[in-house]
Amino acid sequence: EIVLTQSPGTLSLSPGERATLSCRASQNVWGRYLAWYQQKPGQAPRLLIYGASSRATGIPDRFSGSGSGTDFTLTISRLEPEDFAVYYCQQYGSSPGTFGQGTRLEIK
Amino acid sequence: DVQLVESGGGLVKPGGSLRLSCAASGLTFNNAWMNWVRQVPGKGLEWVGRIKSKTDGGTTDYTAPVKGRFTISRDDSKNTLYLQMNSLKIEDTAVYYCTTEFSSGSDYGWFDPWGQGTLVTVSS
Repeated sequence: EIVLTQSPGTLSLSPGERATLSCRASQNVWGRYLAWYQQKPGQAPRLLIYGASSRATGIPDRFSGSGSGTDFTLTISRLEPEDFAVYYCQQYGSSPGTFGQGTRLEIK
Repeated sequence: DVQLVESGGGLVKPGGSLRLSCAASGLTFNNAWMNWVRQVPGKGLEWVGRIKSKTDGGTTDYTAPVKGRFTISRDDSKNTLYLQMNSLKIEDTAVYYCTTEFSSGSDYGWFDPWGQGTLVTVSS
């Protein structure tokens, strides 16, 4: 099973700043089959990115994904107040699909 | 818009059983690959299992901790997904989400959208 490690565990930033979230895999994620989700308190996760860099429908272009192999990044170019949430990466290139433990993005 | 609405959660004793349902609308349900993902309150996400569409074989697979205890099924005539949970353990306590799977080139995919979840509490 591929283990995904997200860093940092918590990221404290201010609105308008740039956020860079990391997801590192214990083995190669074949085909760049990696997704990112956003989850706000009391809500279900929401898909942001799939295929490592493709934005889901309706996701603002301030969200971007990059990476391949074992290292992936979610970047939020300019933080809006509604972006403060928990973010999870998920690999689906190998069975079973696995999630990272999450990065909490909090307002500084 | 696709809507997924879970129901059936509640409090159950260890060793007991529970069946969750997920009613789907706004999608061609019989073509959808459907999954269950769970989340211990305050913790991360764990994939539970999935069922393919009948045209793709209708096969199921599960994460190791629930194999042999949980069964996923579907009723395409009712646009409903089920999760039958038997021999429940305290560590099965979680919010259970149903979600639709999409893929492009791999045998597994990403999840979009998700239902609002239903809480299952296993406690004596």
